Amino acid sequence: DTAVSQTPKYLVTQMGNDKSIKCEQNLGHDTMYWYKQDSKKFLKIMFSYNNKELIINETVPNRFSPKSPDKAHLNLHINSLELGDSAVYFCASSQDLGAEQPQHFGDGTRLSIL
Amino acid sequence: ILNVEQSPQSLHVQEGDSTNFTCSFPSSNFYALHWYRWETAKSPEALFVMTLNGDEKKKGRISATLNTKEGYSYLYIKGSQPEDSATYLCAFRGSQGNLIFGKGTKLSVKP
Repeated sequence: DTAVSQTPKYLVTQMGNDKSIKCEQNLGHDTMYWYKQDSKKFLKIMFSYNNKELIINETVPNRFSPKSPDKAHLNLHINSLELGDSAVYFCASSQDLGAEQPQHFGDGTRLSIL
Repeated sequence: ILNVEQSPQSLHVQEGDSTNFTCSFPSSNFYALHWYRWETAKSPEALFVMTLNGDEKKKGRISATLNTKEGYSYLYIKGSQPEDSATYLCAFRGSQGNLIFGKGTKLSVKP
């Protein structure tokens, strides 16, 4: 009964390709997030969506396009992949946008660009 | 730029030792402070969310305190066990609307 699931777990691809990472939560939460774990191991927010609407876009290149077809899904599409995109990407969800709401994370997708 | 600092970066203790580590965060525009436990090959798991100055939270052998005026939180583990080995992350939520994470403290507990 995985609460936040993201696929694939691993993604190895060539520079210049386009790829997508999917995320689904079965917690009935309103808010979903994408984080990037950078080379220094920090978890950094990329996007947050609330009820399918974009709330936060943290100066992420527009090659990254999130799509939320419904409240339970937030997919991440990346165009023209670059070497610097290699990282672990985490999806998360929370009940709503409240500061006191804990976030529930997926297991991460390790993206490697060759 | 908002910074969240955690110390130490890593910690090695013996089973049965008690330990604590620190999270420092901006003392202005404070909304909440989150603690997460992150085991290797798993996803971060929420431990505590604290919102009020002076808050203390406890879950089993793990507890946390919060000082929003000076911008720090302590996480304590009493009688560490090997299964406590993990990276402990704190995250600051201010008026910016998103969580800003520290780099974590990696705890290793030797049997």
